[in-house]
Amino acid sequence: AQTVTQSQPEMSVQEAETVTLSCTYDTSENNYYLFWYKQPPSRQMILVIRQEAYKQQNATENRFSVNFQKAAKSFSLKISDSQLGDTAMYFCASSTRTGANSKLTFGKGITLSVRP
Amino acid sequence: EPEVTQTPSHQVTQMGQEVILRCVPISNHLYFYWYRQILGQKVEFLVSFYNNEISEKSEIFDDQFSVERPDGSNFTLKIRSTKLEDSAMYFCASSNRVLGEKLFFGSGTQLSVL
Repeated sequence: AQTVTQSQPEMSVQEAETVTLSCTYDTSENNYYLFWYKQPPSRQMILVIRQEAYKQQNATENRFSVNFQKAAKSFSLKISDSQLGDTAMYFCASSTRTGANSKLTFGKGITLSVRP
Repeated sequence: EPEVTQTPSHQVTQMGQEVILRCVPISNHLYFYWYRQILGQKVEFLVSFYNNEISEKSEIFDDQFSVERPDGSNFTLKIRSTKLEDSAMYFCASSNRVLGEKLFFGSGTQLSVL
């Protein structure tokens, strides 16, 4: 079974500053993927970034980057130059194959507030 | 970018009534999912569906729940006799490959059971 842990319930950051959201996970799988999803007040689930576990290089998408520490089973999200539109709930998730499909296991989420 | 479409966006029902939540996945996708999020809690997996059958279901997905792909484009979640604790946001998702592929989520159906 997979577990994903986000221990910080909320964080706040000043606009234009950098913030790091923490996530740890546990899996017995060798082949898995890790994701960060953003959920704004509209409650839509938006993929922010994806990391393939077999790749050592950390994924980057514009202002978003991850620090993937496989041995420590840690997968943190760094948001640079924070913008007001980054205010949202952020969920860390892991994915493994189960039979014919794959399944996402989510953490509890962290509420990020960007202050003007 | 292609979208997963869910209808209705809000559904209010009385306890014990049947509800059907509808989803139109992205047209060339083969893998379909339902997830649920009770307000203030994490998103939970309900069921996955491939090749016209359920691939996996969670313990939440009991006999009151069923899924169907009736016409090759729609993907529905039916709750036979709703309970108060079924009140949640229900997300449909689809993907084109099994593992690691981006899951496209719909915008959700907020179900309120009174």
